[in-house]
Amino acid sequence: GQNIDQPTEMTATEGAIVQINCTYQTSGFNGLFWYQQHAGEAPTFLSYNVLDGLEEKGRFSSFLSRSKGYSYLLLKELQMKDSASYLCAPLDSNYQLIWGAGTKLIIKP
Amino acid sequence: IAGITQAPTSQILAAGRRMTLRCTQDMRHNAMYWYRQDLGLGLRLIHYSNTAGTTGKGEVPDGYSVSRANTDDFPLTLASAVPSQTSVYFCASSDSGGNSPLHFGNGTRLTVT
Repeated sequence: GQNIDQPTEMTATEGAIVQINCTYQTSGFNGLFWYQQHAGEAPTFLSYNVLDGLEEKGRFSSFLSRSKGYSYLLLKELQMKDSASYLCAPLDSNYQLIWGAGTKLIIKP
Repeated sequence: IAGITQAPTSQILAAGRRMTLRCTQDMRHNAMYWYRQDLGLGLRLIHYSNTAGTTGKGEVPDGYSVSRANTDDFPLTLASAVPSQTSVYFCASSDSGGNSPLHFGNGTRLTVT
């Protein structure tokens, strides 16, 4: 079957760095998305990885290892506004998104 | 402002009633999707449409129907609502499906009593 595993909740301090891990098992693979979702709001696109390695985009970076079925989202210089849920979603062989339940990130001052 | 508009924002509905959730996008995206989001679960795909005139079933289609008469509109209908359909419903679109990122509407919070 298809499965996504992410921590349910993480806590970090303002100004620090946090890494949110995601492991996945899918029928085929066509890349992996990360989305951010603030409480009560819609998800918004953060990143897409299809090749192995690290993609950096400002304070946010996303890493992919296809052989390990593993990705992480790295958030640097944390700000209070980064408090949100982070959704990992790989694309399977049919280009269907498989969504994880998300990781709720709590930032403390 | 370009984007996706969903209506209503929230609704309380008696079980057995019929309800249509509206979704309109002005980005001329080909693909559109309906998801439901429940606490502790990932987003689950209800129905999708790769282009105007075509629709397909997602992971949890039972009790729901959709139509795609044109590029912009993708309404979701609950023919006879049941309490298990209490959820937050998100409409989304993408330029060409596949690996294009999704753009989401603000959601409809539906409570079936």
